[in-house]
Amino acid sequence: EAGVAQSPRYKIIEKRQSVAFWCNPISGHATLYWYQQILGQGPKLLIQFQNNGVVDDSQLPKDRFSAERLKGVDSTLKIQPAKLEDSAVYLCASSLDRAGASYEQYFGPGTRLTVT
Amino acid sequence: KNQVEQSPQSLIILEGKNCTLQCNYTVSPFSNLRWYKQDTGRGPVSLTIMTFSENTKSNGRYTATLDADTKQSSLHITASQLSDSASYICVVIGNTGGFKTIFGAGTRLFVKA
Repeated sequence: EAGVAQSPRYKIIEKRQSVAFWCNPISGHATLYWYQQILGQGPKLLIQFQNNGVVDDSQLPKDRFSAERLKGVDSTLKIQPAKLEDSAVYLCASSLDRAGASYEQYFGPGTRLTVT
Repeated sequence: KNQVEQSPQSLIILEGKNCTLQCNYTVSPFSNLRWYKQDTGRGPVSLTIMTFSENTKSNGRYTATLDADTKQSSLHITASQLSDSASYICVVIGNTGGFKTIFGAGTRLFVKA
């Protein structure tokens, strides 16, 4: 079974530039998550999709971050404009259903973003 | 406030030794608790998932315990190997009008030869 795919793996941009990350979840997984993991900290949930609908985006900085999952499969996360504090690893995860149903979350390798 | 606290922050042990990592949480109501292993440069990988009715669950050399009354969990690693060097993250799923995933900051484990 193929895992969660993410690209790019690494990205370096200057502040005020824009950047986009792509995620392809495991086939058949209804739920998709985007997390931000700052060095030395645990992941922080940015947004959770159930199929193509948003379930939770309470911690997404909506003035600069946006995400979509138009066809309920792939997803993109965009930052515009980027700030220095956005430097982090952005993890995508998927599960068969929502986390509370004890379904496991499978994580991709992450995209390491450096903002200079 | 729903929180997950892990200790120690980091730990160094010799290969072959056992160790125990701690997780305390204040998340309520509680749905389930998970332990993940995160190797450097990779995404977290699930080790165990426990609901409130489960006291212990094993996955090879990893054994997780849960005390839902005191809101504490531990992850015990037996006969450590160099490949166990990683961050171990405790995650609690709360059910507060919708499921919320709350991550601890992790314990960084270093296993030395």
